[in-house]
Amino acid sequence: NAGVMQNPRHLVRRRGQEARLRCSPMKGHSHVYWYRQLPEEGLKFMVYLQKENIIDESGMPKERFSAEFPKEGPSILRIQQVVRGDSAAYFCASSPGTLNTEAFFGQGTRLTVV
Amino acid sequence: GQNIDQPTEMTATEGAIVQINCTYQTSGFNGLFWYQQHAGEAPTFLSYNVLDGLEEKGRFSSFLSRSKGYSYLLLKELQMKDSASYLCAVRPPGDYKLSFGAGTTVTVRA
Repeated sequence: NAGVMQNPRHLVRRRGQEARLRCSPMKGHSHVYWYRQLPEEGLKFMVYLQKENIIDESGMPKERFSAEFPKEGPSILRIQQVVRGDSAAYFCASSPGTLNTEAFFGQGTRLTVV
Repeated sequence: GQNIDQPTEMTATEGAIVQINCTYQTSGFNGLFWYQQHAGEAPTFLSYNVLDGLEEKGRFSSFLSRSKGYSYLLLKELQMKDSASYLCAVRPPGDYKLSFGAGTTVTVRA
């Protein structure tokens, strides 16, 4: 049973370009979460999705950021017109649809904006 | 909202014990989690407490007091590989997402 798969592991973008980060949850998991981690800081919640639905996007900037989790395929975090401040590690986690279980994290995508 | 505090750094000697404290102030509570994160890697799950008391798992134990809004992670017989960041996270009631503290970086010295 493969774990949470994220790709790419490292992504370099120039200012103004778009970044697309992908996350495939663990098999049997229907809940996906995206977190951002800046150097020397903790994980900050961005968005929580279930298949075809955004449940909670309270941590995601209103502009330039969007997320989806289609019926088929991975969850995508999309950042348009990237700026240097978007440079961070972006982690995806997944969990089954029960409350008393932990979330499993992927290896993260390290985005560098140059 | 969630307000989660833990020390920034701790240093200990190989073979010793270290206790990492976490205090939280939340509008509700549905479980407290501890994760370990090595530099440049994914956080990995260590423990989950939803009721008061101590949960022991090998060299790692976690304690929770809901009335005090307090938890600790106890690492015994420290090994060099335990050098990592330890993240305390709280789950609000009826919610699935986790709110994380800033993490405690533990350095184990020989």
